[in-house]
Amino acid sequence: SQTIHQWPATLVQPVGSPLSLECTVEGTSNPNLYWYRQAAGRGLQLLFYSVGIGQISSEVPQNLSASRPQDRQFILSSKKLLLSDSGFYLCAWRGTSGYNEQFFGPGTRLTVL
Amino acid sequence: GNSVTQMEGPVTLSEEAFLTINCTYTATGYPSLFWYVQYPGEGLQLLLKATKADDKGSNKGFEATYRKETTSFHLEKGSVQVSDSAVYFCALSPSSGSARQLTFGSGTQLTVLP
Repeated sequence: SQTIHQWPATLVQPVGSPLSLECTVEGTSNPNLYWYRQAAGRGLQLLFYSVGIGQISSEVPQNLSASRPQDRQFILSSKKLLLSDSGFYLCAWRGTSGYNEQFFGPGTRLTVL
Repeated sequence: GNSVTQMEGPVTLSEEAFLTINCTYTATGYPSLFWYVQYPGEGLQLLLKATKADDKGSNKGFEATYRKETTSFHLEKGSVQVSDSAVYFCALSPSSGSARQLTFGSGTQLTVLP
């Protein structure tokens, strides 16, 4: 069966520091992968998606970037964090059943101080 | 473009009450429709889905019917429990496009009191 992992689970970083969040998927090949951000008490904002290794599409211009160095690995990065980057970051992969549902990881809670 | 409009919350019910959370959508073609649930501090879990008109998705006592004529996918449960307290998201996936991105509603917070 397929599983999706995210780490770290929680992170507290000072403003201006770098960021690296990792997402890995097991049990599937060549998945579409997605990064979302959820601000406190709000809905989901799609940040990036990837249909294959090295292929990244950005949905929102900001100081974040994403990379996909391996088929089942998706990384979210920043060179300098802003206060507004605080939130709950969710990684997801698209299922292969034909229904186009997405399956989410457990998330990373990021607090920028 | 595609959009999903959800009933605004928060919704507070007593245990064993009937639940309805309204969801309407705008999309071209025949999108797939989903309900997700998010418990505090966790990621989203797929609750149920429907892929064509008149399909009924069901899981854990929750149901939703894909109504093409009213572009709706309302979530219902006959008797809620305290453990159903969570945020519920309605979402759609377009019928075409390489990435098949999901469009989410804003979420509805449900609190069930004992």
